[in-house]
Amino acid sequence: QVQLVESGGGLVKPGGSLRLSCAASGFTFSDYYMSWIRQAPGKGLEWVSSIDSGSTIYYADSVKGRFTISRDNAKNSLYLQMNSLRAEDTAVYYCARGEWWFDPWGQGTLVTVPS
Amino acid sequence: QSALTQPRSVSGSPGQSVTISCTGTSSDVGGYNYVSWYQQHPGKAPKVMIYDVSKRPSGVPDRFSGSKSGNTASLTISGLQAEDEAEYYCCSYAGSYTHVIFGGGTKLTVL
Repeated sequence: QVQLVESGGGLVKPGGSLRLSCAASGFTFSDYYMSWIRQAPGKGLEWVSSIDSGSTIYYADSVKGRFTISRDNAKNSLYLQMNSLRAEDTAVYYCARGEWWFDPWGQGTLVTVPS
Repeated sequence: QSALTQPRSVSGSPGQSVTISCTGTSSDVGGYNYVSWYQQHPGKAPKVMIYDVSKRPSGVPDRFSGSKSGNTASLTISGLQAEDEAEYYCCSYAGSYTHVIFGGGTKLTVL
């Protein structure tokens, strides 16, 4: 079945970096847009970034210049390199298939940046 | 760009119908037929219930329906069941710059 599994979350100091990964299975990964969406504790969903099967990339203004999305179609994997992390980046980060609607979602990985 | 506007909470009794609204602008909801709705139970990942305004993914009960009028989209849940109690989020494509925007979420309580 279609499955997405995130990894790489953790506790990181302000200004630090972290790389999230998302392993995809059960579908032809290279055929689909993939996205990252985050959810701060007790808050709503916030779209972060999307990438198509090639090189078309979109970022939310809140992460532009600090985060980099990438993918390795040979490894069926999606990545999010997060630099210059801030307290407001604390959230569960979800990997999801799709560009403007998302299905399925992974289980999420928690990133904590203390203030 | 601000989040799409949803009511903070709605409620209904089992068997009743409820409608959750999602108000945006002509740059997002009103400009494209790319509105989707997500159900999220506590501690779980969101699940798509409606996409492209009114399309239902396979496996989603036909009690869930979507519509749009102008800059406002709506999710209607008929024949409410206890398991429908959850947080619901709307989402819209918003053009090539902003790209995607979510609503603030609506807590549905089944009385």
